[in-house]
Amino acid sequence: KNQVEQSPQSLIILEGKNCTLQCNYTVSPFSNLRWYKQDTGRGPVSLTIMTFSENTKSNGRYTATLDADTKQSSLHITASQLSDSASYICVVSFYASGGSYIPTFGRGTSLIVHP
Amino acid sequence: AAGVIQSPRHLIKEKRETATLKCYPIPRHDTVYWYQQGPGQDPQFLISFYEKMQSDKGSIPDRFSAQQFSDYHSELNMSSLELGDSALYFCASSSRGLFLAGGSHTDTQYFGPGTRLTVL
Repeated sequence: KNQVEQSPQSLIILEGKNCTLQCNYTVSPFSNLRWYKQDTGRGPVSLTIMTFSENTKSNGRYTATLDADTKQSSLHITASQLSDSASYICVVSFYASGGSYIPTFGRGTSLIVHP
Repeated sequence: AAGVIQSPRHLIKEKRETATLKCYPIPRHDTVYWYQQGPGQDPQFLISFYEKMQSDKGSIPDRFSAQQFSDYHSELNMSSLELGDSALYFCASSSRGLFLAGGSHTDTQYFGPGTRLTVL
C-alpha cells in the first residue's frame, strides 16, 4: 500500500530559528515528491517538487532533499518567520494508468513559529 | 497570475440533498483533479479529467459524478448527501499537454482555495 509518513507531527520553534521536517514514503512506482504549505482552511501551495533524479531543490528559505534509495525526504526551513506557521505536507505521486499523477498525501507537520 | 477558481466557497446542505461544486482551472490548463479533505484528514483523490475525458478514478463514491466541459471547467455533482460528505473539496489543475509535449519536466498541480461543504 502506498504510504507517506511525516515527522514530527507538530513542531514549535522560535522566530529566526531553523527547522527540518521529515518525510518517508513507500509509494511505487515513484514519480515525484512535492512539499506543500497549507494554511488552515485554504488550498495547499506548492513549495518544491523533485523527480527521481533530483537530490535537492531550494525555494527561498525552503530547501528540500530527496534520497530515492532510502525513500526519504526532508524540508529545511531557514530563519523561520511568523508567517511560516502552517501545515507542511509531503506528497508523493505515482504515474497512473490514465496518465494522471496520483498523489499520496502525508498527514503533515504542523509548524508553529513563536515570536 | 490567474489561479484556480472554485465556487461556491461555502455550501450548506441537508441530508439527501444534492450539491454541485464548480472548478475553473488556470487558463490553458487541460487537466483537473478533485480531492476531498475531511476534518483532520489527508486530502483524498477523487477523480481527474484530461482534455474533457475522465483520466483516473480514486475513492469517489458512486453517489458522486463529475465531468469536464468544453471550456475545461469541471463540476462535481454530489447526490443523496450524507453527514460524512462534510469536507473541504479541492480542485487542482495542471497542464498535462505541455508536459507530454516536453515543455515541462513534470505535471505540477495547482490547487484552488477549496469549497467547504457542510451537510446537516
